[in-house]
Amino acid sequence: GESVGLHLPTLSVQEGDNSIINCAYSNSASDYFIWYKQESGKGPQFIIDIRSNMDKRQGQRVTVLLNKTVKHLSLQIAATQPGDSAVYFCAESSAGGGATNKLIFGTGTLLAVQP
Amino acid sequence: DTAVSQTPKYLVTQMGNDKSIKCEQNLGHDTMYWYKQDSKKFLKIMFSYNNKELIINETVPNRFSPKSPDKAHLNLHINSLELGDSAVYFCASSRLGGPRAEAFFGQGTRLTVV
Repeated sequence: GESVGLHLPTLSVQEGDNSIINCAYSNSASDYFIWYKQESGKGPQFIIDIRSNMDKRQGQRVTVLLNKTVKHLSLQIAATQPGDSAVYFCAESSAGGGATNKLIFGTGTLLAVQP
Repeated sequence: DTAVSQTPKYLVTQMGNDKSIKCEQNLGHDTMYWYKQDSKKFLKIMFSYNNKELIINETVPNRFSPKSPDKAHLNLHINSLELGDSAVYFCASSRLGGPRAEAFFGQGTRLTVV
């Protein structure tokens, strides 16, 4: 399958448990952060974003935490479901929405949900 | 009602050929991008266009030439294809300057050079 030969960091969780996916970013000037979910054979799909003036933001079943001191971002998924199985990417941007905006993606973490 | 659509979804071609990938977005966004995803799933920006103007060119070989005929379209033409060009290419779009600037991605074009 698609995952053969891949050596992505993998998080394996039981259905119903909470998942925490971590990301370290590199640019201290980054002011906008996004989590994307990529299912097999599809493009990355927006999950949640956060700006650098916040340290926590909640969505439906997801929470993003930002620690600027240590340049760390995490995505928490509550009550993980089989449909959450995918590769998760964090992305950072330092343009503040300007014309040179570009997203720098992290390596990606494979979330495997066991039924 | 697809937001960002790319064609083709799969492209298999021989080394040395020239090929194009097309992208269209119907979100009314002013900025479009091309990203390359390698076999290790690493996503890297190649180009971005804002209002048809090239804004970002990330040290991509000049065999790759993007063209934006209007704000809703960004095509990618690749000359003299090489084995190392094999990857999944994603088009994306976003609206800059608003409260959210996330990029919306197409489904990808899997390019295989043989």
